[in-house]
Amino acid sequence: DQQVKQNSPSLSVQEGRISILNCDYTNSMFDYFLWYKKYPAEGPTFLISISSIKDKNEDGRFTVFLNKSAKHLSLHIVPSQPGDSAVYFCAAGTSGTYKYIFGTGTRLKVLA
Amino acid sequence: GAVVSQHPSRVICKSGTSVKIECRSLDFQATTMFWYRQFPKKSLMLMATSNEGSKATYEQGVEKDKFLINHASLTLSTLTVTSAHPEDSSFYICSAIRFEAFFGQGTRLTVV
Repeated sequence: DQQVKQNSPSLSVQEGRISILNCDYTNSMFDYFLWYKKYPAEGPTFLISISSIKDKNEDGRFTVFLNKSAKHLSLHIVPSQPGDSAVYFCAAGTSGTYKYIFGTGTRLKVLA
Repeated sequence: GAVVSQHPSRVICKSGTSVKIECRSLDFQATTMFWYRQFPKKSLMLMATSNEGSKATYEQGVEKDKFLINHASLTLSTLTVTSAHPEDSSFYICSAIRFEAFFGQGTRLTVV
């Protein structure tokens, strides 16, 4: 049973436009959510996180939105840059445990 | 961010042998580290929680006698894949906690 789902395996976006990556979760106990960026043969790099007490968190070009009622979160990257091309994983867990359940990832390709 | 280093980054071993993978937190102490495994085009799957000074906690379905975890110090956790078989070939990643989960660069294990 996949508790964290990323239904789009890939996404292509033109440079300068907005990239929107989506993630759905099923476990209502999750109260902490993260996005990681991963290059091939490397470990994930932390990007941004959000606690369930918020519905939006922004860090530079990256914004994460959380819709608790829909059990849905999204990552917005604007403007998208070619260097953003990577696989993006969303992860969810219970705050304080650091045990995260990862989605299957979305491969983002930003076209120059 | 904090630095977590994994060694080796790539290893090829013969079927039936054992392989040790190290995970070090370079600039901080980590009482808790996590070990993940990633299959091709799949999500990162949590294998176990490594606790400094005590036994590791394994996730359901992970053989603890197969994947030996030792967290001997506050900066080092090791994962030993015992009697490796080709189906153990995978990408293994560790994470260490310092306010957030920071990941190592991963270890590509190939069992031939």
